Amino acid sequence: SQQGEEDPQALSIQEGENATMNCSYKTSINNLQWYRQNSGRGLVHLILIRSNEREKHSGRLRVTLDTSKKSSSLLITASRAADTASYFCAYGVDSSYKLIFGSGTRLLVRP
Amino acid sequence: DTEVTQTPKHLVMGMTNKKSLKCEQHMGHRAMYWYKQKAKKPPELMFVYSYEKLSINESVPSRFSPECPNSSLLNLHLHALQPEDSALYLCASSQGEVTGGSEKLFFGSGTQLSVL
Repeated sequence: SQQGEEDPQALSIQEGENATMNCSYKTSINNLQWYRQNSGRGLVHLILIRSNEREKHSGRLRVTLDTSKKSSSLLITASRAADTASYFCAYGVDSSYKLIFGSGTRLLVRP
Repeated sequence: DTEVTQTPKHLVMGMTNKKSLKCEQHMGHRAMYWYKQKAKKPPELMFVYSYEKLSINESVPSRFSPECPNSSLLNLHLHALQPEDSALYLCASSQGEVTGGSEKLFFGSGTQLSVL
């Protein structure tokens, strides 16, 4: 299977703390994306990092990519209750439109 | 308008029924996707249309039949489904200009399907 693995599967933190989730994949990729999904809803794109980038920031989000280790991490700083959601990494593995999603991390931010 | 609209939001059908899921976007995107998502699992790609032509079929059973009538619309026709087909069905679109996971996808809110 080309599906990536994310860890932890679930994470519970207090509001104001930082949340870090990791994604590992098995093949060479061009780019890696992160998405958020609120319970039972559609996914929302958060950030895209290209294979020649090592780190990218967007507001309270920081994404790193280590192509030698085939892994990426998403850091959410100063978390809020509204950040409670599932987070998925996603990537393409060939020259098609196919986008494969990692297994996801369920984040709970307690008020 | 950056929305992808899916209807219906919820659908309950019997195993002998025929139903259709609909998806619409007005962002001028030329790639449209169907994903299936089971509870607490990641979305799994089913089909991709590029410029109204079927580009990817991930070996989906023939009881699922996609259709792309024009660049704004995507349908998923359902017939003789099984209870294990119960899931959240997500439609998405992207610009359709670059492949290889280089485009961000815009998702609809999904259709929660229950097959009895």
